Amino acid sequence: SQQGEEDPQALSIQEGENATMNCSYKTSINNLQWYRQNSGRGLVHLILIRSNEREKHSGRLRVTLDTSKKSSSLLITASRAADTASYFCATDQAGTALIFGKGTTLSVSS
Amino acid sequence: EAQVTQNPRYLITVTGKKLTVTCSQNMNHEYMSWYRQDPGLGLRQIYYSMNVEVTDKGDVPEGYKVSRKEKRNFPLILESPSPNQTSLYFCASGEQGRQPQHFGDGTRLSIL
Repeated sequence: SQQGEEDPQALSIQEGENATMNCSYKTSINNLQWYRQNSGRGLVHLILIRSNEREKHSGRLRVTLDTSKKSSSLLITASRAADTASYFCATDQAGTALIFGKGTTLSVSS
Repeated sequence: EAQVTQNPRYLITVTGKKLTVTCSQNMNHEYMSWYRQDPGLGLRQIYYSMNVEVTDKGDVPEGYKVSRKEKRNFPLILESPSPNQTSLYFCASGEQGRQPQHFGDGTRLSIL
């Protein structure tokens, strides 16, 4: 199955800086979701953006969606050490199930 | 508390010895799914279930079986495990396949 592709694969920043990660996908979608995974744990749902939405906010998270470019970005503002995790985008390209990308590993140092 | 519970969390076993990983959710979700996560490959779906008695293959179903006799349970069965099934396994549930999914904490399987 086709997957969303996150970029970059890894990102290292200092506390207080913003972190931006991107996701590209290949076919039309109904929604795109972002998940966080702390080391060795299950994924946690962060935010869902529908195909007719362009931007969505949740606390320090900002997600944008550009369906013409088939891409999305996740911005984490004022990063904290606790934001260190892997972040995955997931799309419903398959229609009935989510397809996950390979993830971006974010490291926030204090 | 809403949760997806997997057991066991860790298992080391040998080739050919049948094993079952249980998954249970308490959210009355219709949709349940199994994934495996391997370094560099991300999450790959093994099987999913849209509702009781309805199961379908995901991307990597070979060597696995599932059943959905009750809404809350979705066990993953490895009839004859092989070393290439050594992986981190996650069960997830959601109201529907497209909706946000709740994940269990994972089961780390090592097959020698």
